[in-house]
Amino acid sequence: GAVVSQHPSWVICKSGTSVKIECRSLDFQATTMFWYRQFPKQSLMLMATSNEGSKATYEQGVEKDKFLINHASLTLSTLTVTSAHPEDSSFYICSASSGGGETQYFGPGTRLLVL
Amino acid sequence: DQQVKQNSPSLSVQEGRISILNCDYTNSMFDYFLWYKKYPAEGPTFLISISSIKDKNEDGRFTVFLNKSAKHLSLHIVPSQPGDSAVYFCAATGNQFYFGTGTSLTVIP
Repeated sequence: GAVVSQHPSWVICKSGTSVKIECRSLDFQATTMFWYRQFPKQSLMLMATSNEGSKATYEQGVEKDKFLINHASLTLSTLTVTSAHPEDSSFYICSASSGGGETQYFGPGTRLLVL
Repeated sequence: DQQVKQNSPSLSVQEGRISILNCDYTNSMFDYFLWYKKYPAEGPTFLISISSIKDKNEDGRFTVFLNKSAKHLSLHIVPSQPGDSAVYFCAATGNQFYFGTGTSLTVIP
């Protein structure tokens, strides 16, 4: 089955630094990738949708200059949290779709802790 | 390899009847299981969860059953309503999250 990986799985950083999270589709071409953030009570918030080769579409309330998304190839998307602050500490999950339907393959998530 | 599988990509149910969505997993170390509901163009929202120490959890019309010996999870919706039409993802967690690929439920009025 389709596999999506995320790297790193855990990251601890100091306030003010930038953190890059990678999302890779290992055995299929992901025309669309989604980035989510998990808030308390287990709800996932869609942050942005990215299509390969084009700019990401950000959901309302998500700062695009703070959460930089790059989808440069059909197998890789990156989320960079710039100038991270403690309130950015969260669980970030990506998912990938090959298009043509609702099937999404989720990555295992990245836990970010900003000190 | 997929550690959490939803083998039925779609399901259609008549309004008022029971909807049963199934999920299988491979890792016996998972200790918490969740169901999410997703409408088009929105992120998944949490629906119901169950700890591995339980075999049933009920919340209104939604009941989740866990069969650890079979490594099987199911979500029952009774009675089904047209507003329940959405994609349902199951997820399992230990140190990381593992999601199924989703089942698209259509409730026919």
